[in-house]
Amino acid sequence: AQSVTQLDSHVSVSEGTPVLLRCNYSSSYSPSLFWYVQHPNKGLQLLLKYTSAATLVKGINGFEAEFKKSETSFHLTKPSAHMSDAAEYFCVVSHPSGNTGKLIFGQGTTLQVKP
Amino acid sequence: DTGVSQNPRHKITKRGQNVTFRCDPISEHNRLYWYRQTLGQGPEFLTYFQNEAQLEKSRLLSDRFSAERPKGSFSTLEIQRTEQGDSAMYLCASSPSGGARAETQYFGPGTRLLVL
Repeated sequence: AQSVTQLDSHVSVSEGTPVLLRCNYSSSYSPSLFWYVQHPNKGLQLLLKYTSAATLVKGINGFEAEFKKSETSFHLTKPSAHMSDAAEYFCVVSHPSGNTGKLIFGQGTTLQVKP
Repeated sequence: DTGVSQNPRHKITKRGQNVTFRCDPISEHNRLYWYRQTLGQGPEFLTYFQNEAQLEKSRLLSDRFSAERPKGSFSTLEIQRTEQGDSAMYLCASSPSGGARAETQYFGPGTRLLVL
């Protein structure tokens, strides 16, 4: 079965310092993996996705993630946090069964950015 | 704006009442998904349409829930005899027809349901 585990429910960083949000996945197949961000009272927005091309994936707003098959990880990073990055972040795997493309979300990580 | 839209954005109802939500996907997208998100959790898959055909339903979708996409464009999600446990954010997403790999799903702003 497909699943994702976000290792931290809450991460707090200072503005200008690096961000690391951790995600491990479990999959019987070669997975498609995503990171989505959800700002308060706004819809989910795709940050980046991995679909078996380059293992280092660059996304919007300076975020990137590296797919590591040996570690079954897909951690999200950003070199320098901005106040506007404060939001809820979801690591997501796409379920390939029947080619429905349904998404399986992690529990989410709340990113707090302090001035 | 040609993104996914959902109506209403908020709904407050009394237990036992029926409610219906609407989702208008991005116009050229064949696939439409419904998810439910409870407080402090990630969204959970409810159901999926390819054009007008409902191809998969989660076990979360009890008999009180029904979804339709009659013309392969907009979709409705109805909850009958609402219960307090139905209180959640209901999210709709759409994507182009899938190839061998997952297509990006674009999400609407959601409908927040509160059952009193």
